[in-house]
Amino acid sequence: DTEVTQTPKHLVMGMTNKKSLKCEQHMGHRAMYWYKQKAKKPPELMFVYSYEKLSINESVPSRFSPECPNSSLLNLHLHALQPEDSALYLCASSPKGLAGFQATDTQYFGPGTRLTVL
Amino acid sequence: QQQVKQSPQSLIVQKGGISIINCAYENTAFDYFPWYQQFPGKGPALLIAIRPDVSEKKEGRFTISFNKSAKQFSLHIMDSQPGDSATYFCAAKWDSGYSTLTFGKGTMLLVSP
Repeated sequence: DTEVTQTPKHLVMGMTNKKSLKCEQHMGHRAMYWYKQKAKKPPELMFVYSYEKLSINESVPSRFSPECPNSSLLNLHLHALQPEDSALYLCASSPKGLAGFQATDTQYFGPGTRLTVL
Repeated sequence: QQQVKQSPQSLIVQKGGISIINCAYENTAFDYFPWYQQFPGKGPALLIAIRPDVSEKKEGRFTISFNKSAKQFSLHIMDSQPGDSATYFCAAKWDSGYSTLTFGKGTMLLVSP
């Protein structure tokens, strides 16, 4: 089973709202990722968690706040977003973190959350 | 040096034809090359992948050809079907302690009935 689930599927929010995106995987993967994808573009990496610790923050504005409560869950908290933040937000996971790395370790993506900021 | 260059940007193929998408890279530290298929409004799905010590990998109608000396790899879709119409991203992975992917810009494939 290589399933990553994301909720909600769609989200519409105003610029003053606070909302959260949720991602879950039960594959025992130890690295989890948030991406932002605009139409007709490849995914852009936002954050990487490895063994529940934030390893990469790709200069993402503070209005996006990631959280990794445990090895299966990843959240993205949203606050005071701008209309240009409207995009498909993707979660991914990969089998290994820092230890036991293998060359075939690649990322499995969830279906995404379509976010619209009004 | 972290770039992966993908071509063509878009491709129209007749049903039953062969679709070919090409990618090129510079960074020899890349150690795995996955292809992702993405339908509109959905997340990218891992389609097929290859390691650099293998020159070809086939899974059903999908084949990756890999030329290590030229730093190029390509996806061939045999007997293309309308259901294959999607955006295809090549990617290259490097070891930063976890899986870090560099994506190509994507190819929109349309298979006409």
